[in-house]
Amino acid sequence: DAGITQSPRHKVTETGTPVTLRCHQTENHRYMYWYRQDPGHGLRLIHYSYGVKDTDKGEVSDGYSVSRSKTEDFLLTLESATSSQTSVYFCAISESRSQGAYEQYFGPGTRLTVT
Amino acid sequence: SQQGEEDPQALSIQEGENATMNCSYKTSINNLQWYRQNSGRGLVHLILIRSNEREKHSGRLRVTLDTSKKSSSLLITASRAADTASYFCATGPTGGGNKLTFGTGTQLKVEL
Repeated sequence: DAGITQSPRHKVTETGTPVTLRCHQTENHRYMYWYRQDPGHGLRLIHYSYGVKDTDKGEVSDGYSVSRSKTEDFLLTLESATSSQTSVYFCAISESRSQGAYEQYFGPGTRLTVT
Repeated sequence: SQQGEEDPQALSIQEGENATMNCSYKTSINNLQWYRQNSGRGLVHLILIRSNEREKHSGRLRVTLDTSKKSSSLLITASRAADTASYFCATGPTGGGNKLTFGTGTQLKVEL
């Protein structure tokens, strides 16, 4: 999985509790992303980062926050978990290529269940 | 909203046959990419085709892009059981840029 790890790999939590997922890369790529994957929706972008302390919202950012204090780490926090946030979360990284094309490399995923 | 829509949603073939899946998208793009996802795993990049290219090959993979129809196809020749996976197209925005928009995927099953 291209030097990308996610932790934890599985988590069960209760509604209303905060949850933090961690993505760690060893590739020194500039861009990092958090997606969620749900049946029938494919992958949807939650937040992404284009450098240390530089982040931006994606398509489904409500209820999520992120932080990137080091190039290698990108944290996703569910401030108060809800059942609708039960999903599989993927981290991805990319680096700039020629002509504006960016291939992404994905971590193994975190399966989160909110009860 | 999804930029890419794959067709069919599911495909079942016999080993040795060719598999074709299609992707349609809505707005102009810089490039289109195909990814594979094995069950319970992360996505793996397969191939990238730029908007000024019409066809690209990589091993048993052949990708075509028709920007006038806003569509792409992925052909896997001589399929193997190991090709069983979900396949996603993803589009890169016109003008370049790091954000990709993924489709909902085609589930391919290759039977022995």
